[in-house]
Amino acid sequence: EPEVTQTPSHQVTQMGQEVILRCVPISNHLYFYWYRQILGQKVEFLVSFYNNEISEKSEIFDDQFSVERPDGSNFTLKIRSTKLEDSAMYFCARTSGAVTGELFFGEGSRLTVL
Amino acid sequence: GENVEQHPSTLSVQEGDSAVIKCTYSDSASNYFPWYKQELGKRPQLIIDIRSNVGEKKDQRIAVTLNKTAKHFSLHITETQPEDSAVYFCAASRGGGGADGLTFGKGTHLIIQP
Repeated sequence: EPEVTQTPSHQVTQMGQEVILRCVPISNHLYFYWYRQILGQKVEFLVSFYNNEISEKSEIFDDQFSVERPDGSNFTLKIRSTKLEDSAMYFCARTSGAVTGELFFGEGSRLTVL
Repeated sequence: GENVEQHPSTLSVQEGDSAVIKCTYSDSASNYFPWYKQELGKRPQLIIDIRSNVGEKKDQRIAVTLNKTAKHFSLHITETQPEDSAVYFCAASRGGGGADGLTFGKGTHLIIQP
């Protein structure tokens, strides 16, 4: 099955700036997810999104993060005021759409905060 | 919340030998256990998964075993090849395909020596 498409592939930003990462999934997938991976570390769950609402979020997903699907296609992750520790690879993911629920990751967006 | 421990952090084996990576989890409600392979600079890719209603699953050279009582699961790779070199992550969740995010282990860097 086709994967999700993420943009940008790499973004460099100054500390305190807002960043928006985008994910374009196939429209018939129900659940979408954001994960992050700090360089050399494990993959960490941020948030799941279903039917245009947040379903579950982790402790990492604090008030500086938000997700939305503004136009019914693009699925965005916004970081309001970036910090140095937000530097990471951010992966959008989708399930297979079946009950089995295998999770498939996009290529990722690398965020570098200076 | 769920906690997943993974061992070893680095594993070096001779080409053709077998490799075993072990994970333990803490949440007895977890019932979905995938394994991901991540090559340098790329996204995690699902290689095999197992659900709590089975004890073992095999796909060619890769197998996964699950012991629900002991809350641990393992990845077995037989006849290792150079292309098996990568970082492998185990993960656990309460239900694949739904809102619950995956909790990942810290990863095992598998090195196949020629």
